[in-house]
Parts: sequence; structure tokens; C-alpha cells
Amino acid sequence: NAGVTQTPKFQVLKTGQSMTLQCAQDMNHEYMSWYRQDPGMGLRLIHYSVGAGITDQGEVPNGYNVSRSTTEDFPLRLLSAAPSQTSVYFCASSYSVANRETQYFGPGTRLLVL
Amino acid sequence: RKEVEQDPGPFNVPEGATVAFNCTYSNSASQSFFWYRQDCRKEPKLLMSVYSSGNEDGRFTAQLNRASQYISLLIRDSKLSDSATYLCVVNTGNQFYFGTGTSLTVIP
Repeated sequence: NAGVTQTPKFQVLKTGQSMTLQCAQDMNHEYMSWYRQDPGMGLRLIHYSVGAGITDQGEVPNGYNVSRSTTEDFPLRLLSAAPSQTSVYFCASSYSVANRETQYFGPGTRLLVL
Repeated sequence: RKEVEQDPGPFNVPEGATVAFNCTYSNSASQSFFWYRQDCRKEPKLLMSVYSSGNEDGRFTAQLNRASQYISLLIRDSKLSDSATYLCVVNTGNQFYFGTGTSLTVIP
């Protein structure tokens, strides 16, 4: 199993550009989520999905869109990048959100918005 | 008020020492609790779940006090390889809330 994969590893954007961060898992996990990690802020939940076709907002959803057309993929779209979106983005998945299931994280995408 | 609060440290301890980290959470409806470990510039990885009765995994002991909304992690006989940031994580409904992490450096 590859686990949770994320692409790209690094990205530099200009203000106003859009892009999609890719996330895929091959563990047949129902629950997937996106976090951003900023210094002194910890990981904050952007969006999550409890299964294909179902998405919901987390703590900091503004400026981001997600979709879940398949169980495996959960892309995160930045609609119009802003310097405040400079961060490290982690995708995570787990079998479910119940029963203390382990969340597995991807290696992260480091994004710089100029 | 933050959902999860942790002392950021840093904790600098000698090898062999015992060190304890604490965490508080604000929502009494939270149902699951975890400690994750994060190495520098890497992704978080599960260290252990935290059960109401307390649980141990080798040198690591986790405790939960639901009345005080308090979680702790005790590391005994610290190793150099324990140097990392330890994240307290709380599950409420369908969301996970992370503390800012506590930095630990174990010194030879």
C-alpha cells in the first residue's frame, strides 16, 4: 500500500492564481480530511469527508473547495490564492471517524503564495 | 476559546528522565482522544489513543480525566529518539482538533 499520497510536495503561487492540491489513499478509508499547519497554530481542519459524495466544512474553510467523487481521492482547490494561505497542507484518512480509528497523514504540501 | 490547549514547551530533558505533557480540551461532548508525534518537517503519526481508564504502551502512559477535561502523556526513561513535537488531538463529532504541540528535546 502506498498509504496517503499528496502532490505536489512544494508549490509557489502568485496572489490570485488557483491550483488544486491532490490527495489519494489506497486503504479504502471512508473518512478523509485536509489540514493546514502554521507556526504556533497547530493543525487546523479545512474540510472533511465521511464518504464519497459527502463533504463538510472544518474550522477554516474560507478560500478552499473540496469534492469527493471517489473513495480514493480528495482534492483541495484554492480558488484565488492569497499570501495568508501560505502554509503546510496535510491530507489525512481513516477508516471512519468513530472507534478511535488511526488517522494516516500524507507527507504534506508546502505552499508559498507571493 | 481554543478547543485544545497545550503547553508549547520546549522541554529539554536528559536521557533517562521522565517527562510529562498536559493538555486540556473545552468541549465536554468530545468522544475520543489521542497523542500524535510529529518529527521536524514530517507528517504527524499516531503515538497512542487515550482511554478513560488510562493506558500504557511501553515507556508511554496516557491518562484522561473527563471531569477536568484533561489529558496527559508520561514518557519514562527518555531516549534521544523521543525528541519530537507531541500533539494532543481531540475528536468531537466528525472533526478532529489539534493542540499546538509540545516540543521535546532529549539531551545526551
